[in-house]
Amino acid sequence: KAGVTQTPRYLIKTRGQQVTLSCSPISGHRSVSWYQQTPGQGLQFLFEYFSETQRNKGNFPGRFSGRQFSNSRSEMNVSTLELGDSALYLCASSALGGGEQYFGPGTRLTVT
Amino acid sequence: AQSVAQPEDQVNVAEGNPLTVKCTYSVSGNPYLFWYVQYPNRGLQFLLKYITGDNLVKGSYGFEAEFNKSQTSFHLKKPSALVSDSALYFCAVRDNSSGTASKLTFGTGTRLQVTL
Repeated sequence: KAGVTQTPRYLIKTRGQQVTLSCSPISGHRSVSWYQQTPGQGLQFLFEYFSETQRNKGNFPGRFSGRQFSNSRSEMNVSTLELGDSALYLCASSALGGGEQYFGPGTRLTVT
Repeated sequence: AQSVAQPEDQVNVAEGNPLTVKCTYSVSGNPYLFWYVQYPNRGLQFLLKYITGDNLVKGSYGFEAEFNKSQTSFHLKKPSALVSDSALYFCAVRDNSSGTASKLTFGTGTRLQVTL
């Protein structure tokens, strides 16, 4: 099976802009979770989607949002970008919500 | 709230020697525990998990982990380290009382350096 794919792999944006990141889970996986990884804060949970419904949300401002489509593909959106949003954004999928998660390669977002 | 502690920022070991990467956790219910490895510019790769059953869990690439409920620990081990094992290792926990929700809480990571 193909692994989790994320697009784009690298992105450079300017403060104040918005960005959309995409994630395609492993075929058959219905749960998609998003994480932010930074040197200072480490790996932090953003949100989880299961069957097109947000089931869990981390402690991030409302500028961070996401959605899941009927084919389980997911997108996350960050509006009004700040310098501190520069990070590696990781998407993970799992077959059942509680099982091990399989991660994509991530999208490296740089905000200037 | 759930939390994970990885007390060592870096572990250095010579190739061929056994390695241990430490992890302790805190959850309100019974824990689901995971180890992941991250190579430079890559996502996280799943190594192994503990859900229930035998306290010694075997995973990928010769790694294993020992669950100790009384010490709330889940240390990662390998009998003989390889230079190619050098990477960043993350321990993660999920509280099974949260149902099937997938939120993982990660430790800060431990960099493993294996030298010849």
